[in-house]
Amino acid sequence: EPEVTQTPSHQVTQMGQEVILRCVPISNHLYFYWYRQILGQKVEFLVSFYNNEISEKSEIFDDQFSVERPDGSNFTLKIRSTKLEDSAMYFCASSARDLYEQYFGPGTRLTVT
Amino acid sequence: GIQVEQSPPDLILQEGANSTLRCNFSDSVNNLQWFHQNPWGQLINLFYIPSGTKQNGRLSATTVATERYSLLYISSSQTTDSGVYFCAVPLPPGSARQLTFGSGTQLTVLP
Repeated sequence: EPEVTQTPSHQVTQMGQEVILRCVPISNHLYFYWYRQILGQKVEFLVSFYNNEISEKSEIFDDQFSVERPDGSNFTLKIRSTKLEDSAMYFCASSARDLYEQYFGPGTRLTVT
Repeated sequence: GIQVEQSPPDLILQEGANSTLRCNFSDSVNNLQWFHQNPWGQLINLFYIPSGTKQNGRLSATTVATERYSLLYISSSQTTDSGVYFCAVPLPPGSARQLTFGSGTQLTVLP
């Protein structure tokens, strides 16, 4: 069964450093998403991406965040200058064009020290 | 404001027991998903159920969109069912693909 994959599973970085989280969505899906979950809290929407542009973003997704689909298979989330409060689990998801069901990857746990 | 509320927040069961988890949402939606977050943090899709009833093994779900709630039933619970169960709907209205998650129900199944 096709699945969303994410790398790395765990990333530790120092405050102020740039990080790139990577995702490979399901191959025939056209919508891509990033969500985050701070430890012990609910999952929060960050951004959705379709047709090579951002379609929706939350207020969390400020100028320090960016997303990119650099090739036909990868979808990335970049955090330019990490802060302690960026420590969270980051989930990538994808969905097909005509269906709303979103499929989630296993997540990347980001720890900012 | 627009909300997704889940109840109960915590639930402890003996193995073999049945349970019902509830999700209330404050506006009409065209999508609702249930997820299980396992102890390793992974979000597992359980159901995509904007309306009606679906069953998958020991789990079933019902969404009554007109009354703005959904129920997740777990029968004959097993220890591997432990974890957090989230419902998610697209809110605010018009954001068909921006899922808003509830706060979850923490389920613990004891052997």
